[in-house]
Amino acid sequence: GEDVEQSLFLSVREGDSSVINCTYTDSSSTYLYWYKQEPGAGLQLLTYIFSNMDMKQDQRLTVLLNKKDKHLSLRIADTQTGDSAIYFCAESVTNAGKSTFGDGTTLTVKP
Amino acid sequence: DTGVSQDPRHKITKRGQNVTFRCDPISEHNRLYWYRQTLGQGPEFLTYFQNEAQLEKSRLLSDRFSAERPKGSFSTLEIQRTEQGDSAMYLCASSPLTGQGVLNYGYTFGSGTRLTVV
Repeated sequence: GEDVEQSLFLSVREGDSSVINCTYTDSSSTYLYWYKQEPGAGLQLLTYIFSNMDMKQDQRLTVLLNKKDKHLSLRIADTQTGDSAIYFCAESVTNAGKSTFGDGTTLTVKP
Repeated sequence: DTGVSQDPRHKITKRGQNVTFRCDPISEHNRLYWYRQTLGQGPEFLTYFQNEAQLEKSRLLSDRFSAERPKGSFSTLEIQRTEQGDSAMYLCASSPLTGQGVLNYGYTFGSGTRLTVV
C-alpha cells in the first residue's frame, strides 16, 4: 500500500532556511501536498505540486519534486519563530480523493 | 465563509458508550472527509463522501464506526461501544471538485474533535 516517510524533527535558527524532506512509495501519486499543523489546531494546506512538475515556488516556500526517487522537499526561506509547527507531507492519486499522510516533521525555530 | 466546523471540540466518554461527532464543511465543497489522528502520527483516512454518497471507507475501519451525510451538507461520525483505542483526534475536511472554478487543491481541515475514552 501507499507509504509516506518523513524525518521526525528539525531544528533551525531564526533567519536560516529550513528543508523538510519526504519520500513516498506510490508511483501513481499525482498530487503531493504540504500541510502545517500548529498545537491544538487542524491541518492547514501550505502548498501542493503535481507529479509532472519539478519545482514550485510560493513566496518563502519552495517545493522540489524528484519523481524518479519519489522524493519531495519543502524549503522555507528566512524561517521565523512563527514557522514552528508540525509539517505533514501527503500524496493522493486523484485530486479531491483520499490522501495518505506522513507522520509529520516537527520544526523548531530558535531565536 | 467560516471554514470547516466540528462539534464538539472535546469529548470524554466511558468505555462502551456511543458517541457522535458533527462536521459542517465549507458550503460550496462537494467532498467531505473524515480522518483520525493519534499523537505523533499523521492523519489516517477513515471515509469520504461526494455529496450524500459515501465513496470509500477504510478497510481498517471497524463496523462500530458509521458516517452519514444525509443531505450532502453536514456529516456525522458515530462510534458505537467505544474502546480506549478509539481515543484520538477526529478530523473532518472538505474540498471542491475539479471544475468548480477553483484553483486550489487539497483539503480544508476543521480543528478536530478530541475523543478521550476512559
